[in-house]
Amino acid sequence: SQQGEEDPQALSIQEGENATMNCSYKTSINNLQWYRQNSGRGLVHLILIRSNEREKHSGRLRVTLDTSKKSSSLLITASRAADTASYFCATDARYKLSFGAGTTVTVRA
Amino acid sequence: KAGVTQTPRYLIKTRGQQVTLSCSPISGHRSVSWYQQTPGQGLQFLFEYFSETQRNKGNFPGRFSGRQFSNSRSEMNVSTLELGDSALYLCASSLVVGSNYEQYFGPGTRLTVT
Repeated sequence: SQQGEEDPQALSIQEGENATMNCSYKTSINNLQWYRQNSGRGLVHLILIRSNEREKHSGRLRVTLDTSKKSSSLLITASRAADTASYFCATDARYKLSFGAGTTVTVRA
Repeated sequence: KAGVTQTPRYLIKTRGQQVTLSCSPISGHRSVSWYQQTPGQGLQFLFEYFSETQRNKGNFPGRFSGRQFSNSRSEMNVSTLELGDSALYLCASSLVVGSNYEQYFGPGTRLTVT
């Protein structure tokens, strides 16, 4: 079973626009991570936010975490064609990551 | 530093056969995890090894097994293959620091069972 659920399932935006996706999870976490996957290849780690953090930035990425609502959001600003990928949130519990179903982002030129 | 490598990259097997997949972690990483990715079930955790010991296991039948060697390389084995085992199998290695760790994924092995 999956711990996290992303919303929306798919997102199509114009290059230069911002993309926002959300993740909800069910149980207490140590941290929450976001990963990117380009068309059926390996996952690339984007950012990790600890349970005692509320917001974190990395380049064009901004992640928020609300542990009271058990939710997180990932914002990609000024999107580029290379951002076209699937994005997954993952929660960390006892040496394993539980992934959500992912949000597929398509950036149109 | 070289990334996580997985071999083979593609594999076609017949129902009932068995298969072994290999994963070499990033140098210095002692934790290796395996995941199965399918369109229907998404990314599902198989098992995790640290210093040759399995620390956690997902909800998969006993046909799925794994091991880790002293050099941290890991293998996973699936016996009596079923059509539903067709999937992308991903290996990830971690440098565990406290209770937080990032996982570095390999490119995956695409297994097709016919």
